[in-house]
Amino acid sequence: GAGVSQSPSNKVTEKGKDVELRCDPISGHTALYWYRQSLGQGLEFLIYFQGNSAPDKSGLPSDRFSAERTGGSVSTLTIQRTQQEDSAVYLCASSLKTLAGGYSYEQYFGPGTRLTVT
Amino acid sequence: AQSVTQLGSHVSVSEGALVLLRCNYSSSVPPYLFWYVQYPNQGLQLLLKYTSAATLVKGINGFEAEFKKSETSFHLTKPSAHMSDAAEYFCAVSENTGNQFYFGTGTSLTVIP
Repeated sequence: GAGVSQSPSNKVTEKGKDVELRCDPISGHTALYWYRQSLGQGLEFLIYFQGNSAPDKSGLPSDRFSAERTGGSVSTLTIQRTQQEDSAVYLCASSLKTLAGGYSYEQYFGPGTRLTVT
Repeated sequence: AQSVTQLGSHVSVSEGALVLLRCNYSSSVPPYLFWYVQYPNQGLQLLLKYTSAATLVKGINGFEAEFKKSETSFHLTKPSAHMSDAAEYFCAVSENTGNQFYFGTGTSLTVIP
């Protein structure tokens, strides 16, 4: 079975432009997570989706960041008016959560999108 | 909020020597704990996880970790390092809701031949 995929793998953009990063989770995984990994840093939690709903958006660094998920599957992370400090690897992960409340907390990570803002 | 501390951003060991990577967490309730490995230019891969069963957890590639509630620690060990173990290792914690994961800043392991 396919794992988590992310596109593009690399994105170079000019300061001030908008970018969209895409994540395709593993089929059947209802939970989806976005993280940011800056050079030499750990993973910074950005946002979490359960189905199409994002209960906690407090991790988004600023109002330039937004994310959505449609059909309980694909998610898009959008960064508006990009700044140089947005340069990082953006990681997506998914995990299986059942409606009955049984959880499998293992997160499966995608390869990431390396964003460079010039 | 949870926090995860990984002592030592860089660890070097000789091939065949013991690997010990340290992780401490802050949590008022028993959490779920994880170790992930990131090989160069690859995504994160789960090594092992603690979910309130046995306190000694065995993972892939000969790694294991022991949950010590009294010390709020979840250190990762491997008896004998192999060259292929060179990678970045991340400790993570999640509360039982699973809604948010907190990662440490990572430890880069170098294995010296």
